[in-house]
Amino acid sequence: QKEVEQDPGPLSVPEGAIVSLNCTYSNSAFQYFMWYRQYSRKGPELLMYTYSSGNKEDGRFTAQVDKSSKYISLFIRDSQPSDSATYLCAMSGGLTGTASKLTFGTGTRLQVTL
Amino acid sequence: NAGVTQTPKFQVLKTGQSMTLQCAQDMNHEYMSWYRQDPGMGLRLIHYSVGAGITDQGEVPNGYNVSRSTTEDFPLRLLSAAPSQTSVYFCASSYDSFYGYTFGSGTRLTVV
Repeated sequence: QKEVEQDPGPLSVPEGAIVSLNCTYSNSAFQYFMWYRQYSRKGPELLMYTYSSGNKEDGRFTAQVDKSSKYISLFIRDSQPSDSATYLCAMSGGLTGTASKLTFGTGTRLQVTL
Repeated sequence: NAGVTQTPKFQVLKTGQSMTLQCAQDMNHEYMSWYRQDPGMGLRLIHYSVGAGITDQGEVPNGYNVSRSTTEDFPLRLLSAAPSQTSVYFCASSYDSFYGYTFGSGTRLTVV
């Protein structure tokens, strides 16, 4: 079983929809949680990071972490065709050494249609 | 700032050949890492460094070597290429590893 599970999709939504992307994990030592966006044939780009449980909002993006359920989410409001990409969750431990070692989900491919 | 620069962008190797993938960053980041990305497997950590002179193994280190003689550079060496090393390789760096990494644009490596 992988430490981080993520539905690969593809997920297809109409423009303007609210998108929900999710990851589950099994390692209770994970303390830092990140979401990356990756366009085709490009490197991942950091979207958001959160520490421990709670919510964080940045423009149209909201990240949620529920450590009790080992579940993290990324919500995209008013989705745009430019949001079409693969979204990767990533997480790491709370100590300096373990924080350097990110564990990624396999990514969810999102397609926003006109 | 150029960010994280990886060279080459594409490479084809024959089985048994060796090569070095270059990675350089101009952000004065202490933390640097190498990942490989394969379909259905996501990004997997190969080696990482927490500063010049300090490196450690990640999840899939076999067949790869690294060194970190300067803050800016973190080359990845393939000792004897195998078809299983066909992948896209990403280098990443971070000022503070707790808050995410900046990735390069990747090197697409094919071993035949």
